[in-house]
Amino acid sequence: DIQMTQSPSSLSASVGDRVTITCRASQDIRNDLGWYQQKPGKAPKRLIYAASTLQSGVPSRFSGSGSGTEFTLTINSLQPEDFADYYCLQHNTYPHTFGQGTKVET
Amino acid sequence: QLHLQESGPGLVKPSETLSLTCTVSGGSINSNDYYWGWIRQPPGRRLEWIGNIFYSGTSTYYNPSLKGRVTMSADTSKNQFSLKLTSVTAADTAVYYCARRSTGSSSDYWGQGTLVTVSS
Repeated sequence: DIQMTQSPSSLSASVGDRVTITCRASQDIRNDLGWYQQKPGKAPKRLIYAASTLQSGVPSRFSGSGSGTEFTLTINSLQPEDFADYYCLQHNTYPHTFGQGTKVET
Repeated sequence: QLHLQESGPGLVKPSETLSLTCTVSGGSINSNDYYWGWIRQPPGRRLEWIGNIFYSGTSTYYNPSLKGRVTMSADTSKNQFSLKLTSVTAADTAVYYCARRSTGSSSDYWGQGTLVTVSS
């Protein structure tokens, strides 16, 4: 299986901060990566697909970058509604695998 | 707007079979463009991809970590797809999500999730 190592596991931030989350793949996955936001009791919501393409309807303060084995999700000017858990998902190779998640908290 | 809804028992006894159905509305599962899949999340843990199925049933993939206990099927007449997980243990307690993904992409539409508890 491809291992997805996500860091940090949690971070403390304030409204207006710039936040960066990283996912590293154990092998080359090209740009076959999505980023998800999950709030308590809710299903994950896709923010980014193909590593850097913004999902329709998602605010432009979210951005993704990277290819191969290293990927980054950036949130510019963190908003109150952005405090949540974030996951990366690789879909290059079966079985698809998720990172362990990052909790963004105040 | 596409909508997915999971249904099934919320409590399953150890060693029995977990059965869930995902009903799709606002679109057809009968499409060459999408896979239909299941993902779960044990309490306090990361998401785990279970597998996915093509509408015709001709292409399925299951996570080997589930050791052959998984079967998925699709019923185009009802616009539903299903998950069966046999010989469950407490480790299978999780919120189960159904989801759609485009071929070559990650899951975009998800159901709200359903908690299944394995307990006697």
